[in-house]
Amino acid sequence: GAVVSQHPSRVICKSGTSVKIECRSLDFQATTMFWYRQFPKQSLMLMATSNEGSKATYEQGVEKDKFLINHASLTLSTLTVTSAHPEDSSFYICSANAGGGDEQFFGPGTRLTVL
Amino acid sequence: DAKTTQPPSMDCAEGRAANLPCNHSTISGNEYVYWYRQIHSQGPQYIIHGLKNNETNEMASLIITEDRKSSTLILPHATLRDTAVYYCIVRVGTSGSRLTFGEGTQLTVNP
Repeated sequence: GAVVSQHPSRVICKSGTSVKIECRSLDFQATTMFWYRQFPKQSLMLMATSNEGSKATYEQGVEKDKFLINHASLTLSTLTVTSAHPEDSSFYICSANAGGGDEQFFGPGTRLTVL
Repeated sequence: DAKTTQPPSMDCAEGRAANLPCNHSTISGNEYVYWYRQIHSQGPQYIIHGLKNNETNEMASLIITEDRKSSTLILPHATLRDTAVYYCIVRVGTSGSRLTFGEGTQLTVNP
């Protein structure tokens, strides 16, 4: 199946700093990528839909100025958590559709801990 | 997207078949049934999907009732590595459409 990678896999940062998470489709082009957040013992919650070359669409309640999404190419989307706070600590997961197919393929996730 | 209902947890003996049910009584005619699983601290893994016919692949079988209001995911010979949260999701089957995750079923395969 198609492979999606995320970098870094784990990050610890101080409160008030910004953190960038990369999501790459390694062997296919993805016009649409999705960003999810998962808190402990909870399900995945969709944060935003990222389309190559256009602005991301954010879900209700997700602050677009805090969670900056850039999808500059067909293989890379980035999520930047700005001015991170401890409550932003979570497991962030991206996914992508493999060009025309119905399956979404997920990255391995990034564990963010804000101290 | 239609809402799905799954039991919160199930147990299965290693080597036996695991049958995971899902109710989706409000599914629309153009919505597919998708199954994903998530092993602890990893990203979800696609398993299988179908519209109305039963489907089988190397991982599992998907049985969809004739009225499409429920389905069952079958892992024919469960192993310890199949312990995971299994999510049943219904969505319009187009490449740009979103997945809405419910609470899923925690399957524990016991030795």
